[in-house]
Amino acid sequence: DAKTTQPNSMESNEEEPVHLPCNHSTISGTDYIHWYRQLPSQGPEYVIHGLTSNVNNRMASLAIAEDRKSSTLILHRATLRDAAVYYCILSPTGNTPLVFGKGTRLSVIA
Amino acid sequence: DTGVSQDPRHKITKRGQNVTFRCDPISEHNRLYWYRQTLGQGPEFLTYFQNEAQLEKSRLLSDRFSAERPKGSFSTLEIQRTEQGDSAMYLCASSIGTYNTEAFFGQGTRLTVV
Repeated sequence: DAKTTQPNSMESNEEEPVHLPCNHSTISGTDYIHWYRQLPSQGPEYVIHGLTSNVNNRMASLAIAEDRKSSTLILHRATLRDAAVYYCILSPTGNTPLVFGKGTRLSVIA
Repeated sequence: DTGVSQDPRHKITKRGQNVTFRCDPISEHNRLYWYRQTLGQGPEFLTYFQNEAQLEKSRLLSDRFSAERPKGSFSTLEIQRTEQGDSAMYLCASSIGTYNTEAFFGQGTRLTVV
């Protein structure tokens, strides 16, 4: 499985934008980039995914580098409820099971 | 539909006992996954089903672990002769199973082996 590298932790002030980076230098051409997050005492939840183009949804935006070797999850206005562990995952063609790393623990300060 | 449901939410058992967990996926989802998560780590894949067929098992899944999905709906995960190292959160997820669709996770069953 292609690997991803994320910072262990990040901190943000409430109501400010947050940019969560992910490096995936060995990504293959058919790997989708998925982001999930896990709130305390909850199972992971889907945030967003993309292949080549930037993606937006109601939760976040995903910016994918032109060479696809890195991506950034953008939370436009962090709230206390966004404090969670964020996982960047590469999913090969064929809908194989997600392989999680350690993720980035995001703390949001009021 | 209220999402993926797992039962029980918490289980404390003595070492050497057998335990069984149940997962009810979202009704139209044909894929079902089991993961295990220990403190400070991301979820580790254990096994998954497409309908009633078990398609893949991780090498983490020792022969003390068995999973079933007899009618392609709910699934059970059994651990025989539990060990303290089995203490973890056991997560179930389901998905429609088409290309790169999102997986929906339950809240997990926390197992403590004493």
